[in-house]
Parts: sequence; structure tokens; C-alpha cells
Amino acid sequence: AQTVTQSQPEMSVQEAETVTLSCTYDTSENNYYLFWYKQPPSRQMILVIRQEAYKQQNATENRFSVNFQKAAKSFSLKISDSQLGDTAMYFCAFIYSGNTPLVFGKGTRLSVIA
Amino acid sequence: DAGVTQSPTHLIKTRGQQVTLRCSPKSGHDTVSWYQQALGQGPQFIFQYYEEEERQRGNFPDRFSGHQFPNYSSELNVNALLLGDSALYLCASSFGAGETQYFGPGTRLLVL
Repeated sequence: AQTVTQSQPEMSVQEAETVTLSCTYDTSENNYYLFWYKQPPSRQMILVIRQEAYKQQNATENRFSVNFQKAAKSFSLKISDSQLGDTAMYFCAFIYSGNTPLVFGKGTRLSVIA
Repeated sequence: DAGVTQSPTHLIKTRGQQVTLRCSPKSGHDTVSWYQQALGQGPQFIFQYYEEEERQRGNFPDRFSGHQFPNYSSELNVNALLLGDSALYLCASSFGAGETQYFGPGTRLLVL
């Protein structure tokens, strides 16, 4: 069974600074997909970024980028130029294929401080 | 382009009652997955519907059942509600065997 571990329950960062959220996972599969979702206080789960395991290049979406280390089974999220609107719970998630369930970590609560 | 919608947004029930939650997928999507998110936890997979059939099921009792309609919308039914069923219920949609799921705003259920 796949598991996802987020070892940082809470983090804080000053506005305009950079922060990195950690995620490790465990799987015996070779092809899979990894995601970071953001859940602000409104509770809507918003897709931030996705990474295909077969791609060596790290995914980037504007201020969000990942450091994907397949051998180490590590998938961290870097947020650059942090903004107050980035304050939210961040969940790392794993999926093997489209007809299998998303497996989530327990989340990291990020607070961006003015 | 409409995203995933869910209704109702909030619901209060008492123990033993039954509840039905509804979800309409994002335009062009045909697969609906349901998740339960307890306070302070990550979402837990309940089940997934594709072509009006339950394709996958998580570790939830038979009190949790669902349905998918020909227009791809879906319902989640929970019978004999327990206090522990209080949670945020999230619906997510995707296309076919696509692995990227998009979530709705959720239904917050409180069981008293």
C-alpha cells in the first residue's frame, strides 16, 4: 500500500520569503503521479502542481516548484515570494493511475506573516 | 467552464438519520471520486464512480453508498448516521483514466 508522509505539521514564513514543504512517500510502483494541493480556510481543495514520476524534470507553476527525488521517494514544494494568500493547509498526494484513489498526507499548515 | 459543484454546502443531522450529498463534475469529466476529511486530517477515499459503476472502494462500511447518473453527476448516501460521520465530504472529478482530480468546495456534515 502507498503511504504519504508530511513531517512538518506547521510552518511559517515572512511575506516575500521562500519556504519549502517536505513530503516523502512509499511505493513499489515505478510509474505514478504526485501532487500538491492547497486548502485555504474556505476548505476548497485547489491543485497547485503535479509531477509525473517518469519525468526527470521538476515541475514548475509560477512561484511554485517541486524538488522530485525519485530514488529517495521525496517530493518537496518550494514557494517563492510568499504572499498572504498562500496561507493554507498544503497536502501532498500520490496516485498510481486514474482508476486508483488519491492517497494524501496529513498536511502542513503554512502561515504567511506580513 | 464550470468547475466541480457540490450541494448542500452545510448539513446538520441527528444520529440514525440518512443523508444524501450531491456532486456535479467539471465539464468534460466522467469520473467522480468521493473523499471524507475529518477535522485536522487529510482526505480519505470512499469510492469512485465511472460509467455509472463503482470502480474502486476504500475502507468504508456499507452504510456509505453511491450512485452515478448518465450525466456523470453523483450522489453519496450515508445511512444510520454516527457521530463519527461528522466531516467535510469532498467530491473530485477527472476524465476517464486520467490521474488528475479536481475538487469541489465540499459539504460539511455535522451529526448531533
